[in-house]
Amino acid sequence: AQSVTQPDIHITVSEGASLELRCNYSYGATPYLFWYVQSPGQGLQLLLKYFSGDTLVQGIKGFEAEFKRSQSSFNLRKPSVHWSDAAEYFCAVAPVGFQKLVFGTGTRLLVSP
Amino acid sequence: DGGITQSPKYLFRKEGQNVTLSCEQNLNHDAMYWYRQDPGQGLRLIYYSQIVNDFQKGDIAEGYSVSREKKESFPLTVTSAQKNPTAFYLCASSAGQDSNQPQHFGDGTRLSIL
Repeated sequence: AQSVTQPDIHITVSEGASLELRCNYSYGATPYLFWYVQSPGQGLQLLLKYFSGDTLVQGIKGFEAEFKRSQSSFNLRKPSVHWSDAAEYFCAVAPVGFQKLVFGTGTRLLVSP
Repeated sequence: DGGITQSPKYLFRKEGQNVTLSCEQNLNHDAMYWYRQDPGQGLRLIYYSQIVNDFQKGDIAEGYSVSREKKESFPLTVTSAQKNPTAFYLCASSAGQDSNQPQHFGDGTRLSIL
């Protein structure tokens, strides 16, 4: 069965520092990969997605993610974190050809002054 | 602006009562979804619909029911059979059935038990 692992429940980063959120997936073939962000009490907003091609994907709000097939990973990065980036981040996968997302349990990002 | 509207934002249910959560989209999307979100568990799929008048059970459909009579509407009923309904419920939609169509989410409904 497909699964998505986000090993970090909480991460605290100083404002201006770099960020990397980890995501590993388990699936027989390379699925489609997504990162979403959720502010408290809100829905999810799509940050970026990977389908094929260039393994470094650019998203909104200055985020990027790198797909590494050998590691079954799709880590999210940002060079310089802003206080407004404090939120919960979800990695999700979907099998090619069928619209059924499987979500990780999320990583809550806290930004310190 | 196009988007997904969920109402109400907060909902309270009494024991033995059915409640219905509304989800409306004006994105002209074919597919719609309902998720349940509990702390530390991510999102779990309750039901999804790929076209009007058709829907399928997701991973945790027991105690829930849906209908899809119109393209823009996908209401979720939490029945009295759902013994632990307290959660944050999210509705989503996508342009097509293929997984390369990203899902767009509403702002959610928080359901609590009185």
